[in-house]
Amino acid sequence: AQKITQTQPGMFVQEKEAVTLDCTYDTSDPSYGLFWYKQPSSGEMIFLIYQGSYDQQNATEGRYSLNFQKARKSANLVISASQLGDSAMYFCAMREENNAGNMLTFGGGTRLMVKP
Amino acid sequence: GAGVSQSPSNKVTEKGKDVELRCDPISGHTALYWYRQSLGQGLEFLIYFQGNSAPDKSGLPSDRFSAERTGGSVSTLTIQRTQQEDSAVYLCASSLGQGGKVEQFFGPGTRLTVL
Repeated sequence: AQKITQTQPGMFVQEKEAVTLDCTYDTSDPSYGLFWYKQPSSGEMIFLIYQGSYDQQNATEGRYSLNFQKARKSANLVISASQLGDSAMYFCAMREENNAGNMLTFGGGTRLMVKP
Repeated sequence: GAGVSQSPSNKVTEKGKDVELRCDPISGHTALYWYRQSLGQGLEFLIYFQGNSAPDKSGLPSDRFSAERTGGSVSTLTIQRTQQEDSAVYLCASSLGQGGKVEQFFGPGTRLTVL
C-alpha cells in the first residue's frame, strides 16, 4: 500500500483565492511527522510546513496551513491568497520515528497552477 | 549561508559506464540522505548516513549502486554499469540531527541521463 497518497495530479487556482492540496498517509507508527515541500520548475525542494503526530494544533506558516485530521490520516495543505509564484509541484512527505532510516517517504506530488 | 551543493549539475553518460555524483552537505549537518526523482514522479529514498555510517541502505535499487561518506561531510553516490532506467534527478539532503521537526535541506540535484 502507498504510504503517502496525493490524489490530485494537477490543480488550477485563481490568483488571490485559497486552494487545498490533498494528502493521505498510511502508518502504524504512533509517532510520525508530516512535511510539505514545494518544488518550482528550477528543481529545488523548499520546505513549507511540518506537523507532528502528537501536535494538538494544526500547523501554520504564513500563508500555509495544514489541515491535520489524524483519525482520517489526512494532512491537507491549504494555501491562502494564492500568488503566481505559488505555481509549482507540491509534495507531501512522512517520516516515521521508528524507521531506522529516518528518511522521508514522498507522495507523487500535485502540480499547482495559479491563473492570473 | 551555504546550502547543500551537488556536482555535477548535469551528467550525460553512455550505457555501461560508471558515474560518481557528489554531495556537499551543510556544514555541521550530521545526517545526509540520497533520493532519486524520476521524471514527473515523487522522490524515492536511496540511502541515509548518520556521520560516516549508513544504517539504512534498503533503498538502493541494485548492487550497482553504492555510496560513501567521508569525514562526516562529503558523500559520493556511485552507479556502476549505468542503465537507461538510471536516468533521473539525484537529490541529496542533509539535516542537523534526526527525528521530530528536523528539516531536511535539499541540494539542487544532479540530472543524470544515460544514453
